[in-house]
Amino acid sequence: SQKIEQNSEALNIQEGKTATLTCNYTNYSPAYLQWYRQDPGRGPVFLLLIRENEKEKRKERLKVTFDTTLKQSLFHITASQPADSATYLCALDIFNQAGTALIFGKGTTLSVSS
Amino acid sequence: DAGITQSPRYKITETGRQVTLMCHQTWSHSYMFWYRQDLGHGLRLIYYSAAADITDKGEVPDGYVVSRSKTENFPLTLESATRSQTSVYFCASSVSTPRQVADTQYFGPGTRLTVL
Repeated sequence: SQKIEQNSEALNIQEGKTATLTCNYTNYSPAYLQWYRQDPGRGPVFLLLIRENEKEKRKERLKVTFDTTLKQSLFHITASQPADSATYLCALDIFNQAGTALIFGKGTTLSVSS
Repeated sequence: DAGITQSPRYKITETGRQVTLMCHQTWSHSYMFWYRQDLGHGLRLIYYSAAADITDKGEVPDGYVVSRSKTENFPLTLESATRSQTSVYFCASSVSTPRQVADTQYFGPGTRLTVL
């Protein structure tokens, strides 16, 4: 079955630094991969999507890369701020007769200290 | 614009009781999903639905039942609640996700369920 792993449960960095989160997957070739942010007590919120034929995607201070050979996505937050502190989830698509759904990694909790 | 809502937000029940968690979206999204989130396991897909009367199992469907008679509603029923079903449940929706045309999911605020 498909397996998706985020290599760190927690990541602590100082304000202004670049945070890099990793997402690895096995036993699957997803058409795309998504990244979500989740704050305590709330539902996840979509951040970025990257397709299998794209190497890199950017949105403001966020950057996502996708290496289908390594089966890995990297999520970068540049010039990090305390407000970036949250749990970040990666998700990949699964597809069967009923359509498409997502499976999620367990998440990486990022803490940015000032 | 209400978006996607879940009710109740908090629920305490006893082992063996039937519990129904409600999910309602106002966007007329085709797809709806139910997840549970537990420490150490992350978000796990329980069931999903591509349209009214079309549902399919996710990763952890045992002990749950869903229905989708109307596009906007997707209730999740625990037929006989067990302590292992204590969790936070999230409902989500998306416009449509043909495989090559990705779409994002919009999540509700969650229901915290405790089974005693």
